[in-house]
Amino acid sequence: DAKTTQPPSMDCAEGRAANLPCNHSTISGNEYVYWYRQIHSQGPQYIIHGLKNNETNEMASLIITEDRKSSTLILPHATLRDTAVYYCIVTPGNQFYFGTGTSLTVIP
Amino acid sequence: EAGVAQSPRYKIIEKRQSVAFWCNPISGHATLYWYQQILGQGPKLLIQFQNNGVVDDSQLPKDRFSAERLKGVDSTLKIQPAKLEDSAVYLCASSDTGFFADTQYFGPGTRLTVL
Repeated sequence: DAKTTQPPSMDCAEGRAANLPCNHSTISGNEYVYWYRQIHSQGPQYIIHGLKNNETNEMASLIITEDRKSSTLILPHATLRDTAVYYCIVTPGNQFYFGTGTSLTVIP
Repeated sequence: EAGVAQSPRYKIIEKRQSVAFWCNPISGHATLYWYQQILGQGPKLLIQFQNNGVVDDSQLPKDRFSAERLKGVDSTLKIQPAKLEDSAVYLCASSDTGFFADTQYFGPGTRLTVL
């Protein structure tokens, strides 16, 4: 079962940073935080993952709090193509449990 | 590098009929997953293969669902007989080793409608 809590929906203005929060207060020491997104009628797309440290790639940044009980996915300059459902997943390895995610709408 | 391929993309059947879905994972990926995604929900894992062996099928309704991965590459998922509640998107994913913190890559899915 999903061990994360995310807001059901968020809006973001185009060109602004989108900050998507995720609560995972019961995370264990060996569990990673993964983020995926799913654009309508497509399969989930990998965005980023991390264990303790903050991570950045060409798509996004992942900020994990020091106690690891929550994290934030940052899309630095949101575009209309970033409108999607974003899933935060906590996993010790290869078992992914998806919740219902956050539906992000980027507004022109 | 080609991604995960699935076919068909869409399928409409009557209840009690049979249906099969096919998945070709990313070349060289040892681990293959089948997920079911009901409208408005996140994907739910049905079965996980490591090469051609089953690692986890605890969520697979074995009275009507079956899956195989012959030769450790392609996989098929079958439903027989289908029920109305099987209407969903069936997603296939693959990962390199299936070991610790291994990223999964998903295909486009097959949308099944059972009438």
